[in-house]
Amino acid sequence: QVQLVQSGAEVKKPGTSVKVSCKASGYTFSGYYIHWVRQAPGQGLEWMGWISPNSGGTNFAQKFLGRVTMTRDTSISTAYMELSRLRSDDTAVYYCARVHGYSPGYWGQGTLVTVSS
Amino acid sequence: QSALTQPASVSGSPGQSITISCTGTSSDVGGHDSVSWYQQHPGKAPTLMIYDVSNRPSGISNRFSGSKSGNTASLTISGLQPEDEADYYCSSYTSSSTLVFGGGTKLTVL
Repeated sequence: QVQLVQSGAEVKKPGTSVKVSCKASGYTFSGYYIHWVRQAPGQGLEWMGWISPNSGGTNFAQKFLGRVTMTRDTSISTAYMELSRLRSDDTAVYYCARVHGYSPGYWGQGTLVTVSS
Repeated sequence: QSALTQPASVSGSPGQSITISCTGTSSDVGGHDSVSWYQQHPGKAPTLMIYDVSNRPSGISNRFSGSKSGNTASLTISGLQPEDEADYYCSSYTSSSTLVFGGGTKLTVL
């Protein structure tokens, strides 16, 4: 069965970076895009971007351009999302999700990133 | 890219049907048959309920159905059950190959 397992919770100081991993299993990793979505406390879902595990190609939401990097390591079926220059309003649960059709279909369990001085 | 527009809340009694709307533009909802709907219970990851406007993933109840007309997509839940109480989000692919979500709708089962 498709499974995405994300790395554990992080506490970061403002101005630093965080890198979240997403290990996939149960399917051919290179065959399906991975999306990253975040959700601030009490707020809705916010799309950050996607990565093609096959080509490494990416596309990001305008809001995150210049601050987000998405990479993958096909040898270990793992995708990564790194967000830099963290601010307090980046505090959120970050999800990775494999597509089903064109949309995020299979979701990881989420990674809480807390940004606090 | 602006978020898609959903009602903040809807409610219904057990056994009734409700519909949640999701309004975008010709650059997203109106221009692509890639609208999806998600259910999210508190503290849990979202679950895909409908994809590509009207398709249900395996394991999703046929009480959930989706449709689209012009720039507005809709999710209908028939035979409401207490466990349907949750937040619901729509999403759509855009002409820029990005994704956009709706603001979310809180469904209360009275």
